[in-house]
Amino acid sequence: GAGVSQSPSNKVTEKGKDVELRCDPISGHTALYWYRQSLGQGLEFLIYFQGNSAPDKSGLPSDRFSAERTGGSVSTLTIQRTQQEDSAVYLCASSSQYVADTQYFGPGTRLTVL
Amino acid sequence: AQTVTQSQPEMSVQEAETVTLSCTYDTSENNYYLFWYKQPPSRQMILVIRQEAYKQQNATENRFSVNFQKAAKSFSLKISDSQLGDTAMYFCAFMKQYGGSQGNLIFGKGTKLSVKP
Repeated sequence: GAGVSQSPSNKVTEKGKDVELRCDPISGHTALYWYRQSLGQGLEFLIYFQGNSAPDKSGLPSDRFSAERTGGSVSTLTIQRTQQEDSAVYLCASSSQYVADTQYFGPGTRLTVL
Repeated sequence: AQTVTQSQPEMSVQEAETVTLSCTYDTSENNYYLFWYKQPPSRQMILVIRQEAYKQQNATENRFSVNFQKAAKSFSLKISDSQLGDTAMYFCAFMKQYGGSQGNLIFGKGTKLSVKP
């Protein structure tokens, strides 16, 4: 079946602009995760959605970052007033209902802030 | 807080040979999961193998196996009969089973593996 998809694949933006990154999880998966992969920090957890529960936002680095998940499926990660340090690959993953279930990753969005 | 350490930034191996990637972790949790993910140049993170901490038996998936030493907090990955397609970054990851931040993967910095013909 279809895996996790993310769009766009690459995004170049200017410092100070807002960007939206999209994630389509595997059909039927109730859990959705966002991670950031950067040269300096490695792979970091950002935010976690599980069904209709309040999301775990403990990994968001600043209030410029926000995410929503509509209808329990598609998720959008928004970065406002982008900074050069936001340049990274943003990875989305989904899993089925249980914490122990394997997370399946999308191909990521490479964000470059000029 | 949990941490994951991969002490080998880069490794290389000849095709058909065996290679072992190291991973150590630090946690006060007793119940958790450990994973090895592979990330080829395409950026797609692919699960290689997983281990439940409560299981004493080491996990095996075809040419991939782990040596899980819970007391030593060590979780190494052995790749047998290395193939050119195994060339990738390999990440070791930890996940709590219970409590706050459960479900969040904590990754090591990665080991870049090159398989040479």
